Amino acid sequence: EVQLVESGGGLVQPGRSLRLSCAASGFIFDDYGFHWVRQPPGKGLEWVSGIGRNSGSRGYADSVKGRFTISRDNAKNSVYLQMNSLRAEDTALYYCAKEYRSGWNDAFDVWGQGTMVTVSS
Amino acid sequence: EIVLTQSPGTLSLSPGERATLSCRASQSVSSSYLAWYQQKPGQAPRLFIYGASYRATGIPDRFSGSGSGTDFTLTISRLEPEDFAVYYCQQYGSLPRTFGQGTKLEIK
Repeated sequence: EVQLVESGGGLVQPGRSLRLSCAASGFIFDDYGFHWVRQPPGKGLEWVSGIGRNSGSRGYADSVKGRFTISRDNAKNSVYLQMNSLRAEDTALYYCAKEYRSGWNDAFDVWGQGTMVTVSS
Repeated sequence: EIVLTQSPGTLSLSPGERATLSCRASQSVSSSYLAWYQQKPGQAPRLFIYGASYRATGIPDRFSGSGSGTDFTLTISRLEPEDFAVYYCQQYGSLPRTFGQGTKLEIK
């Protein structure tokens, strides 16, 4: 079964750090790019960051650039999002998503169930 | 950054009716790299349309996508009860990837 499972969310104080993980299974991990998408409670979707097959291609939303870092470990079939200097406006459900086909420009065909990040003192 | 504007914000229709959802981009979306997702409460988004007009695996043919450049449309020919949800468009042709704000399709 093709699956993405996120972990690492929780309650964190403003200014602190958190590292999210996304474990993939059921497909050839190395062949695909991955992305993080977040959704604040009751609001819409916001793309956060993406990484290509060989980590050569990466991108970030302006709202997180310089604070968040995306990475992947093909040996562990996992994608990570290191989040530093967290702010209240980073509070959201964070989804991991897989690209539909091998490449960098593609839609997201598999999504995890999300991990909740709450930034509050 | 490509800004996607969806309209209407809320669409109230009855089962059996036709739904037309719009997504307008602030600049041309390269190679029609435009997708549509459905999201139901408490669930992750689900890919419905990619490449502006191609149905994803398992999506019924009452769903169709069209458009190019800056204007895109998702059409549901005859609404079924399970189609009532929030729909988002997304462009994936340039960075940053962006989503529209969503259209809520509700039962009238």
